[in-house]
Amino acid sequence: SQQGEEDPQALSIQEGENATMNCSYKTSINNLQWYRQNSGRGLVHLILIRSNEREKHSGRLRVTLDTSKKSSSLLITASRAADTASYFCATDRGSGNTPLVFGKGTRLSVIA
Amino acid sequence: DVKVTQSSRYLVKRTGEKVFLECVQDMDHENMFWYRQDPGLGLRLIYFSYDVKMKEKGDIPEGYSVSREKKERFSLILESASTNQTSMYLCASRRGGDTGELFFGEGSRLTVL
Repeated sequence: SQQGEEDPQALSIQEGENATMNCSYKTSINNLQWYRQNSGRGLVHLILIRSNEREKHSGRLRVTLDTSKKSSSLLITASRAADTASYFCATDRGSGNTPLVFGKGTRLSVIA
Repeated sequence: DVKVTQSSRYLVKRTGEKVFLECVQDMDHENMFWYRQDPGLGLRLIYFSYDVKMKEKGDIPEGYSVSREKKERFSLILESASTNQTSMYLCASRRGGDTGELFFGEGSRLTVL
């Protein structure tokens, strides 16, 4: 099945720095979503960007989408220790009401 | 506050046992999903359901079955648990006819000995 792939697998930064995570996917999509998962918990939706959008903001989050390169990036600005979590991109399967396909995630550690 | 509730956070079962993982959502969502999450493999789709009594196989359905007798409840069944089914199981739901946001439960960590 198609799958998003996040890059890097793990990222460690200092508090206050920006964190950038990337996601690549294989086939055409209707939208791409980013989720966050604290250790041992369920996933929480962060942001959705549609295939006809190039950039979207939500608070300290900025998501970009390049459908020609089949890639997306998630930028977290002015990171905090509480941002420490795993981040996943998820895509639909390109048509209709299809289940999401998740990548393997980026593990972000923000050091105070 | 909208919620997806998974009945057990932690379970320990023996090989060959029948295991039921229950998931209930209070958002009147049509679509419900079961994923498993393993280190290095991310989330993989086991089964999903778009309506009551309806079920569809996901990417890794072998060894699992599901039941959706009521709209709010989606159960995952391991008929005969095996050690390779030790995993974190995540239930999710969303509105019907939508490829939008999924709402996840807190997960059920299953260990099969």
